[in-house]
Amino acid sequence: DTAVSQTPKYLVTQMGNDKSIKCEQNLGHDTMYWYKQDSKKFLKIMFSYNNKELIINETVPNRFSPKSPDKAHLNLHINSLELGDSAVYFCASSQDGRNNYGYTFGSGTRLTVV
Amino acid sequence: RKEVEQDPGPFNVPEGATVAFNCTYSNSASQSFFWYRQDCRKEPKLLMSVYSSGNEDGRFTAQLNRASQYISLLIRDSKLSDSATYLCVVNPTQGGKLIFGQGTELSVKP
Repeated sequence: DTAVSQTPKYLVTQMGNDKSIKCEQNLGHDTMYWYKQDSKKFLKIMFSYNNKELIINETVPNRFSPKSPDKAHLNLHINSLELGDSAVYFCASSQDGRNNYGYTFGSGTRLTVV
Repeated sequence: RKEVEQDPGPFNVPEGATVAFNCTYSNSASQSFFWYRQDCRKEPKLLMSVYSSGNEDGRFTAQLNRASQYISLLIRDSKLSDSATYLCVVNPTQGGKLIFGQGTELSVKP
């Protein structure tokens, strides 16, 4: 029973397209996140939602728009994809926003823009 | 200065060796600390939390030195299956976000 599941696992698309990544967690956690891991392996936060409310919005191009229909789901829509968007995108969840117990990550979505 | 700094390695060690990873963090008010493990092309997974008193889980020992803003991970009796990237992770504030170091790559050879 997967705790944090992301779809799709792989996404290859052309520049200029619009795509979405979906994430669902069945842990009953309150807070969900999107992180981006680039080719140098740095994990950088993009967004965080607590109980459907946006609480962290880092300096991310506004082509990226997160949506949380309920606290178990967090989706990421990307408009006008660029080559530099190629990366692995990880969804994560935490028990509460205080992060005292760390995160549980999904298996990642490997996005390649050609 | 980066918020969380680690030696990227790679560390190449023989099976059975003891290896230590270090990590420094810049925010002295940081609240909680973790080590994560990331296998190639997989997601990061929590290895252990790090407490002020130090903690041990089998072959793994984590230590925190708040005065020096320094975290360490010691792996004893390395196994081939320990080969992975080890991420130092810091929670700078309550209610914020976890900050990840760039990771230290470990390769254990037969």
